[in-house]
Amino acid sequence: AQSVAQPEDQVNVAEGNPLTVKCTYSVSGNPYLFWYVQYPNRGLQFLLKYITGDNLVKGSYGFEAEFNKSQTSFHLKKPSALVSDSALYFCAVRDSRGGKSTFGDGTTLTVKP
Amino acid sequence: GAGVSQSPRYKVAKRGQDVALRCDPISGHVSLFWYQQALGQGPEFLTYFQNEAQLDKSGLPSDRFFAERPEGSVSTLKIQRTQQEDSAVYLCASSLQGGGYEQYFGPGTRLTVT
Repeated sequence: AQSVAQPEDQVNVAEGNPLTVKCTYSVSGNPYLFWYVQYPNRGLQFLLKYITGDNLVKGSYGFEAEFNKSQTSFHLKKPSALVSDSALYFCAVRDSRGGKSTFGDGTTLTVKP
Repeated sequence: GAGVSQSPRYKVAKRGQDVALRCDPISGHVSLFWYQQALGQGPEFLTYFQNEAQLDKSGLPSDRFFAERPEGSVSTLKIQRTQQEDSAVYLCASSLQGGGYEQYFGPGTRLTVT
């Protein structure tokens, strides 16, 4: 069975400060890892993914994430947060052998001016 | 280009009614997924198609739930004899393929069973 944990329901940061949204996963086999964002009244949007290769992946809107195999983590980061980054963020994992994706319960990011 | 569309956007059903939810994926996307999202939770996997083949239906909560994609494009999720616990947002997503390809989500159908 595969699973995702997002240990923080809420993350609050000040605009201009770095942000981290945490994600740990469990999967048999090699993981495919994804981050999605959901803005109010809008659908889930893809941010970035890790498939293979470089452990640091870069995605949309200046976000990046670091794959750490030993810690089974895939934390989302951004060097300088914007108020417009405030949204609900979901981490997801998929076993490379299958199609089923498992999502975390989401982390609400609030960036204050 | 056009994204994933879902209809209806909102559906109110009386307990015991049957409902059908439609998903139009992005043209050319081979893989299609259905999820159920309860308030305050992440999407829960229901089922997955590759073209017209339903490869995984392990997430369907009961035999009242049925999904099809007969021509490998449009998909329908049907719920028979709806119960109150079926109230949720039903999300459809498509991707070029399965595996490492990202999913593109529709706006969802909010189902309320009264």
